Amino acid sequence: DIQMTQSPSSLSASVGDRVTISCRASQTITLYVNWYQQKPGKAPKLLLYAASSLQSGVPSRISGSGSGTEFTLTISSLQPEDFATYYCQQTYSTPWTFGQGTKVEIK
Amino acid sequence: QVQVVESGGGLVKPGGSLRLSCVVSSFSFSDDYMTWIRQAPGKGLEWVAYISGNGRTIDYGDSVKGRFTISRDNAKKSLFLQMNSLRADDTGVYYCARVEYSPIYNMDVWGNGTTVTVSS
Repeated sequence: DIQMTQSPSSLSASVGDRVTISCRASQTITLYVNWYQQKPGKAPKLLLYAASSLQSGVPSRISGSGSGTEFTLTISSLQPEDFATYYCQQTYSTPWTFGQGTKVEIK
Repeated sequence: QVQVVESGGGLVKPGGSLRLSCVVSSFSFSDDYMTWIRQAPGKGLEWVAYISGNGRTIDYGDSVKGRFTISRDNAKKSLFLQMNSLRADDTGVYYCARVEYSPIYNMDVWGNGTTVTVSS
């Protein structure tokens, strides 16, 4: 199985900060990474697919990069609605696996 | 407006069974792969199973293989998850989601989830 490891597990940031979340795959997965945002009590929401493609309706302050085994989600200027938990996911091969999540909290 | 609505969750004893359902509206259900994903209380996301549009391609996560069965009824735009031999670690919220392929598999539409509790 492909393991997805996110870092950090949590972070504290202020509105307006630039935030970067990393995700490392245990083997090469080319561009087969998706990113999701989840708020408490809610279903996950797709933000990015294929490492860097922005899902329709997602603000452009959110971006993704990377290929192979190293991937990054960046929020260029953190907004109040961005405080949530973020998950990376690989769909290169089954079982599809998720990172453990990164909780973004208000500083 | 695309909608996915799950139902069927509840409290069940260890070793028991439960059948989850998911009804989809507003997209070509029979063309789409569908998937179940679960989340244990306070934990991360775990992929459970997927099924192709015609139902011929199915795959499961290791922890549910042999105990859970995914199926669909395209005429009723419905997805199902039959869960047998339930264990305490099957407890959690179960989400139904559409699987889009553009250009990789991703889950672009999710339901609100249905809660399964396995406890004596």
